[in-house]
Amino acid sequence: EAGVAQSPRYKIIEKRQSVAFWCNPISGHATLYWYQQILGQGPKLLIQFQNNGVVDDSQLPKDRFSAERLKGVDSTLKIQPAKLEDSAVYLCASSSHRGNYNEQFFGPGTRLTVL
Amino acid sequence: QKEVEQDPGPLSVPEGAIVSLNCTYSNSAFQYFMWYRQYSRKGPELLMYTYSSGNKEDGRFTAQVDKSSKYISLFIRDSQPSDSATYLCAMRGPWGQGAQKLVFGQGTRLTINP
Repeated sequence: EAGVAQSPRYKIIEKRQSVAFWCNPISGHATLYWYQQILGQGPKLLIQFQNNGVVDDSQLPKDRFSAERLKGVDSTLKIQPAKLEDSAVYLCASSSHRGNYNEQFFGPGTRLTVL
Repeated sequence: QKEVEQDPGPLSVPEGAIVSLNCTYSNSAFQYFMWYRQYSRKGPELLMYTYSSGNKEDGRFTAQVDKSSKYISLFIRDSQPSDSATYLCAMRGPWGQGAQKLVFGQGTRLTINP
């Protein structure tokens, strides 16, 4: 079974520029998550999709971050314009609904550096 | 106060030692408790999860949850250099209560020296 795929793996941009990240979840997984992991911290949930609907985006800075999951499969996360404090690893995870516990499987992440 | 507190370390121990990693939390609604391992430049991978209080053992790893103290632990026996990684605790509320949002600790960076 292929894992969660993310691209690009690394991105360096200047502040105020725009950037987009792509995620392909594990086949058949209905739930997709985007996390932000700042260096030395644990991941923080930005947004959760159930199929192509948003379940939780309470911690997404909506003035600059946006995300979509068209057709309930792939997802993109965009930052526009980027700030220095957006430098972090952006992790995508997916899970299926089986029983009372649904393990989240993480991709390798996209490491963003904002200069 | 953060919902989940974890000593960031770093923690360095000799090979074969017993390692104890801990987290405390403030939200009494948490019912699922997870430990993730994250190697450098990789995504977190689930090591173990425990529902509610009690112990769970898997090979060299033992997870403990004490809900009365809001305290969870991960023990690693006979530690190996391959166990060197960052260990993240994570927690979430009961199934069905809104989003299944995981709340992570800061992570403890562990190094096992040969």
